[in-house]
Amino acid sequence: NSKVIQTPRYLVKGQGQKAKMRCIPEKGHPVVFWYQQNKNNEFKFLINFQNQEVLQQIDMTEKRFSAECPSNSPCSLEIQSSEAGDSALYLCASSLSHRQNTLYFGAGTRLSVL
Amino acid sequence: GDSVTQTEGLVTLTKGLPVMLNCTYQTTYSPFLFWYVQHLNEAPKLLLKSSTDNKRTEHQGFYATLHKSSSSFHLQKSSVQLSDSALYFCALGTGGYKVVFGSGTRLLVSP
Repeated sequence: NSKVIQTPRYLVKGQGQKAKMRCIPEKGHPVVFWYQQNKNNEFKFLINFQNQEVLQQIDMTEKRFSAECPSNSPCSLEIQSSEAGDSALYLCASSLSHRQNTLYFGAGTRLSVL
Repeated sequence: GDSVTQTEGLVTLTKGLPVMLNCTYQTTYSPFLFWYVQHLNEAPKLLLKSSTDNKRTEHQGFYATLHKSSSSFHLQKSSVQLSDSALYFCALGTGGYKVVFGSGTRLLVSP
């Protein structure tokens, strides 16, 4: 069973609503990734952190998406104004490093935007 | 930029047959290659990884060899089982901060 905990498992929002999801990384893992997995099962990188600092994020993330990984609290990903195209599985993964180490994934939050 | 290509979207096989799922990559950095497997409604999990050229790595009956000369890391198994039905993703860890995933291959094994 995954040691990366994501909540909630399912999230249903109307267009324009905020959507927030959380992730508790595996203990001792300083690096956290967020990916969006679309209905074609393709992974899109959104953002990653090392401890509390953003390492890299895509343009989409900079506009409507916000994310943080505060110390001693779950990481979170929030969509400020949900759109139908945001409907997807959002996967959080943690790792010992950002490049050569295994990513440990949570089960994901499935967002449906109606 | 860095990229991973998986040419097969869907592979269907009968139990007991061999399988090879293709993975090629592009990067200017020294590559780390991974295969992840995602069963239905489950989290993706690591199947294999390698950064050593021309060395075969194996796990749970699956194996792959990183060939830097051809930028490939194909996944193979000599005899597939029903439980191998899943999505398989090839991924590339590069000099940047991202881990880049291929588009995935769905493997369906029939009795």
